[in-house]
Amino acid sequence: DGGITQSPKYLFRKEGQNVTLSCEQNLNHDAMYWYRQDPGQGLRLIYYSQIVNDFQKGDIAEGYSVSREKKESFPLTVTSAQKNPTAFYLCASSINSLNNEQFFGPGTRLTVL
Amino acid sequence: EDKVVQSPLSLVVHEGDTVTLNCSYEVTNFRSLLWYKQEKKAPTFLFMLTSSGIEKKSGRLSSILDKKELFSILNITATQTGDSAVYLCAVAFRETSGSRLTFGEGTQLTVNP
Repeated sequence: DGGITQSPKYLFRKEGQNVTLSCEQNLNHDAMYWYRQDPGQGLRLIYYSQIVNDFQKGDIAEGYSVSREKKESFPLTVTSAQKNPTAFYLCASSINSLNNEQFFGPGTRLTVL
Repeated sequence: EDKVVQSPLSLVVHEGDTVTLNCSYEVTNFRSLLWYKQEKKAPTFLFMLTSSGIEKKSGRLSSILDKKELFSILNITATQTGDSAVYLCAVAFRETSGSRLTFGEGTQLTVNP
């Protein structure tokens, strides 16, 4: 089946630890995106990548890092510098950056204790 | 600053009612407006609107865009309990580093039997 997968579904970490969230797609999409969603709020863009080996900061990039070494994969690292990392993280992809329809993965709920 | 505002933020109706959800925006380099439905997990795509005055329809849902007044509405007729969800409005715009979406806060719709 084609689609976007994120793992794990739930993640618990202690404060001060870095954690990496996985996002994989087999849709052959060029563009990929990471969003953060807090309770009762919309999605805020963390980072996006239009093509392999290239990515741009979104609105709330501080305390996060990404890589795009393969077209299919766009992992997000939440570092200890992120002040309030507990949130629901959504990964999305689109055919390319000119095509605005984005398809979303199932999300990872990160809780920092 | 680019901005997307949805109203109301929350709405409770009875099955069979008709609802109208609003989305207004202020963005530079507008490309399109998208509506998504989110039921506790990944948002699912509903509509993408690029031209003013052309209604898009899918079953009991319909949407229209007014690019002069900078808003869109999403109508749901004969609501059902399965329509209960958060409805997200997003605007696609182009910036120097690529095309991306900005989301509104969402409207939480609850349909009671």
